[in-house]
Amino acid sequence: SQQGEEDPQALSIQEGENATMNCSYKTSINNLQWYRQNSGRGLVHLILIRSNEREKHSGRLRVTLDTSKKSSSLLITASRAADTASYFCATDAMDSSYKLIFGSGTRLLVRP
Amino acid sequence: DGGITQSPKYLFRKEGQNVTLSCEQNLNHDAMYWYRQDPGQGLRLIYYSQIVNDFQKGDIAEGYSVSREKKESFPLTVTSAQKNPTAFYLCASSIVGYTLSEAFFGQGTRLTVV
Repeated sequence: SQQGEEDPQALSIQEGENATMNCSYKTSINNLQWYRQNSGRGLVHLILIRSNEREKHSGRLRVTLDTSKKSSSLLITASRAADTASYFCATDAMDSSYKLIFGSGTRLLVRP
Repeated sequence: DGGITQSPKYLFRKEGQNVTLSCEQNLNHDAMYWYRQDPGQGLRLIYYSQIVNDFQKGDIAEGYSVSREKKESFPLTVTSAQKNPTAFYLCASSIVGYTLSEAFFGQGTRLTVV
């Protein structure tokens, strides 16, 4: 079963707008990671947030983590057409299994 | 350049055949993973390995087998017991410390049953 569930499943916005994606997970975690996938390609790591962190920034990306609600959000500011991709969250569970479990993903379309 | 390489990019399998997907990394990572992705879906974990000569089943291991004889290599065999093998297969690797670091992915192998 998948650890994370993303919301929304699909998102369509205009270039320049902000895009927000949410991820919920089930078990306690060591960290949560966000990845991007262009169609038919491998995944690329975007950002990692540890369980003792609440917010992290990287360029136009802002990630928040709420461990009490078991949820995270990814905000992409001032979106560009090149941001069009699928975005996945992944969790490293606090069970010493050392396995990375992915959510179902959000498909983002940024219209020029 | 350091990275993770999957081959082939496209693979066609006849009914009843076993096929092996290759995954090689030169990042000196301990952990390696195999995921399956169906169209429009997320990634599901097939097998993972934290160390040479050891591996564990993921959520959908039935019909698949792996080996980890070398740190750099983690091949996946799709056996005839896998009834619906058509999918996109992704291999990844990461450093294992107290927790997992970021994972690096290969470009994937698209397997089609003909």
